Amino acid sequence: AQSVTQLDSQVPVFEEAPVELRCNYSSSVSVYLFWYVQYPNQGLQLLLKYLSGSTLVKGINGFEAEFNKSQTSFHLRKPSVHISDTAEYFCAVSGGDDKIIFGKGTRLHILP
Amino acid sequence: DGGITQSPKYLFRKEGQNVTLSCEQNLNHDAMYWYRQDPGQGLRLIYYSQIVNDFQKGDIAEGYSVSREKKESFPLTVTSAQKNPTAFYLCASSSSASGRPYNEQFFGPGTRLTVL
Repeated sequence: AQSVTQLDSQVPVFEEAPVELRCNYSSSVSVYLFWYVQYPNQGLQLLLKYLSGSTLVKGINGFEAEFNKSQTSFHLRKPSVHISDTAEYFCAVSGGDDKIIFGKGTRLHILP
Repeated sequence: DGGITQSPKYLFRKEGQNVTLSCEQNLNHDAMYWYRQDPGQGLRLIYYSQIVNDFQKGDIAEGYSVSREKKESFPLTVTSAQKNPTAFYLCASSSSASGRPYNEQFFGPGTRLTVL
């Protein structure tokens, strides 16, 4: 069975500062990992995904994530955040069937 | 443009009434999903369907029902048996996992249901 843990429910960060949103997973099979973003009162939008190959994955809006198999982590990073990045971010894992397991989400608050 | 539509965006219902949430996709996806979102709890799977005329219960199916008569449509009915139906409901779709090792889901804009 797969599971996802997002270690922080809320992360405040000053505008133009770097940010890291943490995600750990567990799985007994090969994993495919995703980060989604949800703006207020909207659906989820895919930021990036790790399927195989390079462990550093680049996504939209300047975000990137690094897959670390030994630490079972898939942390999301951005070198400089903007007020428009205020949203909730979800880490998710797929084990190769038709379902995705989502974490509980991390709210990113951008401080002026 | 291809995508997923959900209607209505906001829905109000009185206690004891059934209500149906619409979800339509024109992405030619085989699989469709319904999630419930509550603050601080992430997304919880209600029902999913991998093919027309077939669907499976997710983690919190009690008090909900679905149908999949057409590939494009996957309506969700919230019945009076659902004890706490006020929530944000999200519909998603994906290409079938058959023949590929992973599943990337695409989401609709959501329906916010409030029980008065």
